[in-house]
Amino acid sequence: DIQMTQSPSTLSASVGDRVTITCRASQSISSWLAWYQQKPGKAPKLLIYKASNLESGVPSRFSGSASGTEFTLTISSLQPDDFATYYCQQYNTYWTFGQGTKVEIK
Amino acid sequence: QVQLMQSGAEVKKPGASVKVSCKASGYTFTSYFMHWVRQAPGQGLEWMGMINPSGGITRYAQKFQGRVTMTRDTSTSTVYMELSSLRFEDTAVYFCVRGGGYAFPFDYWGQGTLVTVSS
Repeated sequence: DIQMTQSPSTLSASVGDRVTITCRASQSISSWLAWYQQKPGKAPKLLIYKASNLESGVPSRFSGSASGTEFTLTISSLQPDDFATYYCQQYNTYWTFGQGTKVEIK
Repeated sequence: QVQLMQSGAEVKKPGASVKVSCKASGYTFTSYFMHWVRQAPGQGLEWMGMINPSGGITRYAQKFQGRVTMTRDTSTSTVYMELSSLRFEDTAVYFCVRGGGYAFPFDYWGQGTLVTVSS
């Protein structure tokens, strides 16, 4: 099974900060990686697919990148609506989620 | 618009089974996989398995092999997830989620169904 290791598990930041979340795959997944945002009591929402492609309607302050088996989600300028939990997901071989990163207010 | 409407909350005793339904609308039911993802209280997302409504082929996460069964009814555009031999740690919100197929992420989620296992 492919394991996804996400870091950090919690991140404290302020509005306007640049935020970076990392996800590492246990083996090659090519670019078959997605990022989701989840708010309390709600279903997750797809933000980025195929490592760096922005889902329609998602603000451009969100971006994704890849280097080998390491993937990064960046929020260029954190907004109040962005405080949430973020999950990576590989879909190269079946589907596996990372453990999640909670972005909280500093 | 795409909608996935799940059945209501359930309370079950340990050892029992639960069957959750998910009715799809707003798209061609047989053109997309349907997945089940669960989330225990305060925990992360866990993929349980998927069904291809076109033909009924299923794939289950190893953790749930032998305990989960996913089925579909194409006449009503509904998928079902049955989990047997329930344990306290199966208490979670269960989501049905649409996916485009192999090598596709998930795009639409149901509202979630809380299953509580309690004696």
